[in-house]
Amino acid sequence: DVKVTQSSRYLVKRTGEKVFLECVQDMDHENMFWYRQDPGLGLRLIYFSYDVKMKEKGDIPEGYSVSREKKERFSLILESASTNQTSMYLCASRTGRPGEKLFFGSGTQLSVL
Amino acid sequence: AQKVTQAQTEISVVEKEDVTLDCVYETRDTTYYLFWYKQPPSGELVFLIRRNSFDEQNEISGRYSWNFQKSTSSFNFTITASQVVDSAVYFCALRGFYNQGGKLIFGQGTELSVKP
Repeated sequence: DVKVTQSSRYLVKRTGEKVFLECVQDMDHENMFWYRQDPGLGLRLIYFSYDVKMKEKGDIPEGYSVSREKKERFSLILESASTNQTSMYLCASRTGRPGEKLFFGSGTQLSVL
Repeated sequence: AQKVTQAQTEISVVEKEDVTLDCVYETRDTTYYLFWYKQPPSGELVFLIRRNSFDEQNEISGRYSWNFQKSTSSFNFTITASQVVDSAVYFCALRGFYNQGGKLIFGQGTELSVKP
């Protein structure tokens, strides 16, 4: 089975800190995604990557950046964490074939104080 | 623009009741894919089903069934004889065929609570 692993389940950071959220997948998937989940808003796409060193902005990229130096790893970076970035962050991956399903990690609940 | 609407924020039923989760979508693409995912309390979204826009045949998988109607842009999900283990947040999602990288548009989610 495909496994998508997010480095932390819970994370507490202070306002202004630089935060790294790591995601690793083990199935050689081309595409990787970072979503943010908030009550009443569903999942909103922050960034995605369709290849190593390639990235595209999603719907809410402000305040975030990403890095994909290796195919299996996709990192989300909060340059200067703010309280409105308190949220559940979900990483996902899939193959490049049309219509393929996403595989998700368990999520990281980030609290910014 | 593409959009997915799940108007039901929360649904509460008693075990063994049937329940339908609604999903309405908007897209200008003629080719697209629709998905349902389940998010149990553990947090990891689990894939349930995928349909492409050319296949309007309804599908049944055990207690789960899906009703896809292009005429009303709906892709509703029914659980028959619900069980406590069905308690979760359910998401409907849409992907246009030409969405670069396979971007999925998610609905707001419906939280289903099945009480014993």
